[in-house]
Order: sequence, then C-alpha cells, then structure tokens
Amino acid sequence: DADVTQTPRNRITKTGKRIMLECSQTKGHDRMYWYRQDPGLGLRLIYYSFDVKDINKGEISDGYSVSRQAQAKFSLSLESAIPNQTALYFCATSDSRSSGNTIYFGEGSWLTVV
Amino acid sequence: GENVEQHPSTLSVQEGDSAVIKCTYSDSASNYFPWYKQELGKRPQLIIDIRSNVGEKKDQRIAVTLNKTAKHFSLHITETQPEDSAVYFCADYTGRRALTFGSGTRLQVQP
Repeated sequence: DADVTQTPRNRITKTGKRIMLECSQTKGHDRMYWYRQDPGLGLRLIYYSFDVKDINKGEISDGYSVSRQAQAKFSLSLESAIPNQTALYFCATSDSRSSGNTIYFGEGSWLTVV
Repeated sequence: GENVEQHPSTLSVQEGDSAVIKCTYSDSASNYFPWYKQELGKRPQLIIDIRSNVGEKKDQRIAVTLNKTAKHFSLHITETQPEDSAVYFCADYTGRRALTFGSGTRLQVQP
C-alpha cells in the first residue's frame, strides 16, 4: 500500500552510528506505529502514537526513540546502532474512527548494522 | 492483553487439505482479533478479522472462530492452494494499546 511510505527501504550502517527511519502516510490516519520483525519472533511493537501529542513505548523500546512530527509523519531513530538491531522495520497506521483497529503496513525498511 | 500465543509455528499441508492455526490471548478486555498474511518479501496484510460479539466469520475459503470463554481464536483455511503459502499472524486488541501480534505460523501448501 503506497499510502504508507518508508525511507530508506534498505540501509547498512556501522555500529555506534545514529540512524533514522522515516515514515509518512497519506491515508489520513491518526494512529501510527513502528514494529520490528525478526525471523521466528513475529512482529514486535517498538513505539506507537495515537495522535500528534501522544507517544507510547511498546514491548521493545530500549535503544530506540521516535518523533511524531505531524499527523502524517512518524520517524524512528536508533541513537547508537548495535548489530542486534539488524532487522526488518515496519511502520504502520490505523484510524481511530474505524470500528476495529485494522492497521496498514508500509513496505518495510531493512536495516543491517555491521 | 500483553501476550498472544500462536500455534503451530510451522504447518505443512497437501494442496486441497484444510489448515488450522490457533491463538490464545490473556486479556479479557480484548475485543478485536485480526489475522494478517505475509507473503515472502512483502508486508503483512489483513485477510480476516472478528469482533468479540461474534463467534464465527467466514470469507470464501477462510474462516475465523472465537471462543471468548476459553480466550482463544482460530483461523481455518479450507481447500488450500499453493498461493496460501505464507506466514500468518494473529493479533488481539483492547482499545487501550496497539495490536499485539502472535509469533506467526509459516504455512506451506505442498502441490
């Protein structure tokens, strides 16, 4: 779904470097999320934001920070990348006005920390 | 609602057979249970969902059942086809936090 755009799509970075993953959406949704996917570990929540002024930690927030710059933008930062942060990162959105909480994923960002 | 257990982690079936994936949740406040399918190299996408006031929902070859008393829900795929091969994730939602996903089931349909 091109409505949720992640940049970069692939990135190799060195240990100790700061890296930012950006997410923007044109779906008009108020809620945004960052998930991490590792083989065999499913989708784990890093941070989520229910509106521009709301930031919440997920189950694996250590080593990460986020910024909700606008309703449509939600960025994820690794202040000092380490190799075990090598993973596939997904941004996602949902609409609080919908009756459920269907979330829509971006295409993912592959991050390799060497 | 912090934990969703999903079984099995891998499942191999012959084309035409049925496949069943089960999830259990812990928060009695959970009220929405979606299933996502992730094909190789792609993003997860919603395939079916069920709300807590419904016991079963069907969409062509896929169905989901919910047992609120036992706190478990299942995905059923009938007449499986090779294109059903993917990783399937269950999730639950209470309204107070984000979706919590299970660890995924890799389904392989053998032609």
